[in-house]
Amino acid sequence: EIVLTQSPATLSLSPGERATLSCRASQSVSSHLAWYQQRPGQAPRLLIYGASIRATGIPARFSGSGSGTDFTLTISSLEPEDFAVYYCHQRSNWPITFGPGTKVDIK
Amino acid sequence: EVQLVESGGGLVQPGGSLRLSCAASGFTFSSYWMTWVRQAPGKGLEWVADIDQDGSEKYYVDSVKGRFTISRDNAKNSLYLQMNSLRAEDTAVYYCARESNRRTECWGQGTLVTVSS
Repeated sequence: EIVLTQSPATLSLSPGERATLSCRASQSVSSHLAWYQQRPGQAPRLLIYGASIRATGIPARFSGSGSGTDFTLTISSLEPEDFAVYYCHQRSNWPITFGPGTKVDIK
Repeated sequence: EVQLVESGGGLVQPGGSLRLSCAASGFTFSSYWMTWVRQAPGKGLEWVADIDQDGSEKYYVDSVKGRFTISRDNAKNSLYLQMNSLRAEDTAVYYCARESNRRTECWGQGTLVTVSS
């Protein structure tokens, strides 16, 4: 099983600041890594797939990078609606796995 | 517009059974892999099961193997999850979602399953 580790667990920032979230895989997932945003009481929303491709309708302030085992999600300038939990997710091999999440909260 | 609407959740006793349904619309259901993902209260996301376009390939997380069965009816544009021998640790919101090119791209709003006596 591929284990995904996310850091930090919580990121406390102010609106307008840059957020950098990390996801590390226990073995290579190539570029089969996606990022999701989940706001309280809502279903997850796909942000990034293929490690770096923004999903339809996702603002340009969200970007993804990395390949193999190390990945990064960057939010260039936090908007109020960006304070949420972010999960990374691999579909390289079964069993499919998610990271434990990074909560971005308001400082 | 793509829509996925789950139903069938509720309160069930340990050892009981429940069948979740997911009604799909707005896309050609028979062309996509589908998946179930769950989220225990206050916890993260956990993949549960995948099924291919015609139901011939199915994959499960180890914790539900032998107890849960994923299936689909392409004529009815519906996905199902039959859950037997339910345990307290199966308590979660269950989401159905559409897969495409190794990404879970569309999600329903979820249905809550509570396993408790």
